[in-house]
Amino acid sequence: NAGVTQTPKFQVLKTGQSMTLQCAQDMNHNSMYWYRQDPGMGLRLIYYSASEGTTDKGEVPNGYNVSRLNKREFSLRLESAAPSQTSVYFCASSPQGREQFFGPGTRLTVL
Amino acid sequence: AQSVAQPEDQVNVAEGNPLTVKCTYSVSGNPYLFWYVQYPNRGLQFLLKYITGDNLVKGSYGFEAEFNKSQTSFHLKKPSALVSDSALYFCAVSPLGLQAGTALIFGKGTTLSVSS
Repeated sequence: NAGVTQTPKFQVLKTGQSMTLQCAQDMNHNSMYWYRQDPGMGLRLIYYSASEGTTDKGEVPNGYNVSRLNKREFSLRLESAAPSQTSVYFCASSPQGREQFFGPGTRLTVL
Repeated sequence: AQSVAQPEDQVNVAEGNPLTVKCTYSVSGNPYLFWYVQYPNRGLQFLLKYITGDNLVKGSYGFEAEFNKSQTSFHLKKPSALVSDSALYFCAVSPLGLQAGTALIFGKGTTLSVSS
């Protein structure tokens, strides 16, 4: 099993550009999550999907949209990137009743 | 507001000495508690969790954590530190147990530095 995979690993955008961060898991987990990690702030939840077909906002959803494409895939879209969205983005998944499993992260820089 | 506090930004310890990384939480009800570790340029790895039962929980790589309900704390410990334990450690809380879609509330992280 590959676990949780994320693409791309690194990305540099200009202000106003759009992009989609991809996440996939092969563990048959129901729930998936997107977090951002900023220095000194820990991880903050952007969006989550409790199960296929559902998505909900987390703590910091502004400027982002998500799609739960199927049970395996959960993508995060930045429609018009801003420098404040420079961060490391982590996708995670969890089965019912267990801890979350994290991907390796995407390091995004918005100039 | 629900929160997790890791009062130390950095903990320094000599190899072979015991280590403690502190965590306190402010969450209503009976939360589930977790510790994760992050090595440079890597994702988070699960270390251990407390759900119920014995207040001392054992996890990966020789780590353990002690749950104290009266002090709302969940400190991470290891009897003998290794240089390879140097990493960023996160405490996290799940306020609603492990129901589907329950997000974690993370502390800000503590950098552990073990010197040889």
